[in-house]
Amino acid sequence: DTVMTQSPESLAVSLGERATINCKSSQSLLYSSNNKNSLAWYQQKPGQPPKLLIYWASTRQSGVPDRFSGSGSGTDFTLTISSLQAEDVAVYYCQQYYSTPYSFGQGTKLEIK
Amino acid sequence: QVQLQQRGAGLLKPSETLSLTCDVYGGAFSGYYWSWIRQPPGKGLEWIGEINHSGSTNYNPSLKSRVTISVDTPKYQFSLKLTSVTAADTAVYYCARGLPWGTGTNKYFDPWGQGNLVTVSS
Repeated sequence: DTVMTQSPESLAVSLGERATINCKSSQSLLYSSNNKNSLAWYQQKPGQPPKLLIYWASTRQSGVPDRFSGSGSGTDFTLTISSLQAEDVAVYYCQQYYSTPYSFGQGTKLEIK
Repeated sequence: QVQLQQRGAGLLKPSETLSLTCDVYGGAFSGYYWSWIRQPPGKGLEWIGEINHSGSTNYNPSLKSRVTISVDTPKYQFSLKLTSVTAADTAVYYCARGLPWGTGTNKYFDPWGQGNLVTVSS
């Protein structure tokens, strides 16, 4: 099974500043058939289901603000929020979908400093 | 816009069977994989399994011996059964649509149902 490890576990960033969350997989997520990485990012606010932000490592889901961006390839990935807004306070998860069982990182809690 | 509406019992005793159903509204059902995912209180997400409109399933090996996911395509619904529950199965259970559309089993999830808290307690 593919193990996903996020860092840091929690993060406090000032409003308007950049937030960076890392995700590392135990095996490469590069999908040879389309040369894309099978990695998604989700945002979860208290009492709500996760919301898809990014898929194929860097493709923003429709309606997601462009301050959210994803990067990386192979085994190392990053979610960046370019200018933190108050509504971005949440827990963020990465998910690999290269192979079943699909697996998630343990989550990164993002707060305002 | 596709919406997923979950229903099912929220309180179980140890050894009972968890049963949840997810109804799909506002979009196509066939051609997608439909998943169940759970989240213990205060913890992370665990994928349970998936099914497509024709009944083809994939399960997480960690739960496979106790899980059955079924589908009723004409009703646009799919269901989860988890047998012999224990306190470790206490969690919020979510249903979700797997993307992209198609037969491949490489899926990310959108949208998600509202979640059902299932508590196992004697």
